[in-house]
Amino acid sequence: AQSVAQPEDQVNVAEGNPLTVKCTYSVSGNPYLFWYVQYPNRGLQFLLKYITGDNLVKGSYGFEAEFNKSQTSFHLKKPSALVSDSALYFCAVRDVDDKIIFGKGTRLHILP
Amino acid sequence: EAGVAQSPRYKIIEKRQSVAFWCNPISGHATLYWYQQILGQGPKLLIQFQNNGVVDDSQLPKDRFSAERLKGVDSTLKIQPAKLEDSAVYLCASSFDRGRAFFGQGTRLTVV
Repeated sequence: AQSVAQPEDQVNVAEGNPLTVKCTYSVSGNPYLFWYVQYPNRGLQFLLKYITGDNLVKGSYGFEAEFNKSQTSFHLKKPSALVSDSALYFCAVRDVDDKIIFGKGTRLHILP
Repeated sequence: EAGVAQSPRYKIIEKRQSVAFWCNPISGHATLYWYQQILGQGPKLLIQFQNNGVVDDSQLPKDRFSAERLKGVDSTLKIQPAKLEDSAVYLCASSFDRGRAFFGQGTRLTVV
């Protein structure tokens, strides 16, 4: 069965430093992978997706993600963190039946 | 482009009462999802529609939850009777042709 794992409950990064939020997946067939962000009392906002092509995907707000097929990973990255990036981040995978399965989320704290 | 509309935004009910949530997806989006997000957890898929047909409802507690999408457009999710553990945010999302999912703001349900 398809699944998504986010191994870190929380990630703390100093403002201006690079950040990485980890995600690994398990899915049959070619993966459709997504990252979403959630701010307090808000719905889920789309950041970026990987379907096929270049392994480095660029998305909203300066975020990017690196797809690694051999490691079945899709880590979210940003070269220089902002305090406003503090939020809850979810990795998700779409399976062959179009179900979109989410990870448990990683809370990102950017320290001023 | 209008987004996914959900109502109400907030609802407080007593246990054993019934409640209904409404969702209007983005026009033209054939796929509609209902998710339950308990505080501190990732969204859990309850039911997925393709037009007005159910694709997956394997995690829907069918003894108390029901959902319909008449005419393949808007959808309602009902809980009857509600339990304390149903307290959560209920998110509706829609997508087109295996693209990314667009989320509504959600309905925050508190069962007391």
